[in-house]
Amino acid sequence: KAGVTQTPRYLIKTRGQQVTLSCSPISGHRSVSWYQQTPGQGLQFLFEYFSETQRNKGNFPGRFSGRQFSNSRSEMNVSTLELGDSALYLCASSLEGMRTEAFFGQGTRLTVV
Amino acid sequence: ELKVEQNPLFLSMQEGKNYTIYCNYSTTSDRLYWYRQDPGKSLESLFVLLSNGAVKQEGRLMASLDTKARLSTLHITAAVHDLSATYFCAVDANYGGATNKLIFGTGTLLAVQP
Repeated sequence: KAGVTQTPRYLIKTRGQQVTLSCSPISGHRSVSWYQQTPGQGLQFLFEYFSETQRNKGNFPGRFSGRQFSNSRSEMNVSTLELGDSALYLCASSLEGMRTEAFFGQGTRLTVV
Repeated sequence: ELKVEQNPLFLSMQEGKNYTIYCNYSTTSDRLYWYRQDPGKSLESLFVLLSNGAVKQEGRLMASLDTKARLSTLHITAAVHDLSATYFCAVDANYGGATNKLIFGTGTLLAVQP
């Protein structure tokens, strides 16, 4: 069974640009969550999507947005990139309902220069 | 707001020794996870703990959960070099809910020395 797939794996962008990251969940999983990992702040929750609706949101500025498609694939967008946005962005998928385990993708390493 | 504290931050162990990583959280939750991360890699799920008193074991690792104390432990028995990695605990912030919002601890960098 295929795991969570994130594309691209690596990305270099310039300050002020915008970027879109993609996440394809495990087949049958309808919940997709996004996390940012940095050396300074650790792992932080960005948002969660379920059935094309945002169910949870973390404490990030509005420059960070996302969406989910009918096939459960999700995209995350960051506009007006800042140097501090450089991070590993991880996507996790899980089945709907309570007490379900989250499985993480390999992540997208974003570097803002 | 849920806060998750993990200690120690860094653990240098000798092969064959035992040690415990602690994970404390500040508000009620009914789901706690342990993950492993190797350098430059993603998170690998180790354990899911769903009830008070839950204990799970896999190889040299054993995790337990005390929801009343809001404490989970990850015990390492007879450490081997292959266990060197960063270990994270994560607590779901939506108690009783069906959503997934994990709050992670700071991580424990485990280095097992020969």
